Amino acid sequence: AQSVAQPEDQVNVAEGNPLTVKCTYSVSGNPYLFWYVQYPNRGLQFLLKYITGDNLVKGSYGFEAEFNKSQTSFHLKKPSALVSDSALYFCAVRDGSGYALNFGKGTSLLVTP
Amino acid sequence: DAGVIQSPRHEVTEMGQEVTLRCKPISGHNSLFWYRQTMMRGLELLIYFNNNVPIDDSGMPEDRFSAKMPNASFSTLKIQPSEPRDSAVYFCASSTDDRGGQPQHFGDGTRLSIL
Repeated sequence: AQSVAQPEDQVNVAEGNPLTVKCTYSVSGNPYLFWYVQYPNRGLQFLLKYITGDNLVKGSYGFEAEFNKSQTSFHLKKPSALVSDSALYFCAVRDGSGYALNFGKGTSLLVTP
Repeated sequence: DAGVIQSPRHEVTEMGQEVTLRCKPISGHNSLFWYRQTMMRGLELLIYFNNNVPIDDSGMPEDRFSAKMPNASFSTLKIQPSEPRDSAVYFCASSTDDRGGQPQHFGDGTRLSIL
């Protein structure tokens, strides 16, 4: 079985400050980890993924995520938040042998000017 | 570069009516997924097709739901008869790889309201 937990329903940050959106996972095999962003009335947009290799993964729009195997975490980060980053963020996991993505419940990010 | 195209974007209909949602995946993608998104349950996988063949339909809530993929460029999700609890946003997604690390690409969804 595989699952994802996003412990925060909402994260608030001031523009220009660093942001972190948390994600922990549980999977039986090697994890394939993804972050997606959803803007109002739009579908999910892929931001970045971890399959193997460097623990720090860089993605779209200046976002990055750090894979931590011992803590089974894959937190999303950005050094300097923009108001336009305000959206719903989803972490997802699947094991290497499967096809189904398990999504977290989502974290609403609000960046204030 | 066209993404996943879903139609209609919005659908409002009365309980008991048949509803058909449509999806055109990205050209060259061999995997197609239908999801449902609600506030209460989040994102749920309904059905997964690979090379136009349904592989896993365990997420389809009940017999009122059916999905087809007659060719590589078109899929439908049908609800008959529809009920108010079917109200949700339905997403279609496609990818090039069913078991590897390729991301799924999502359409903008169909917002379905059953009155």
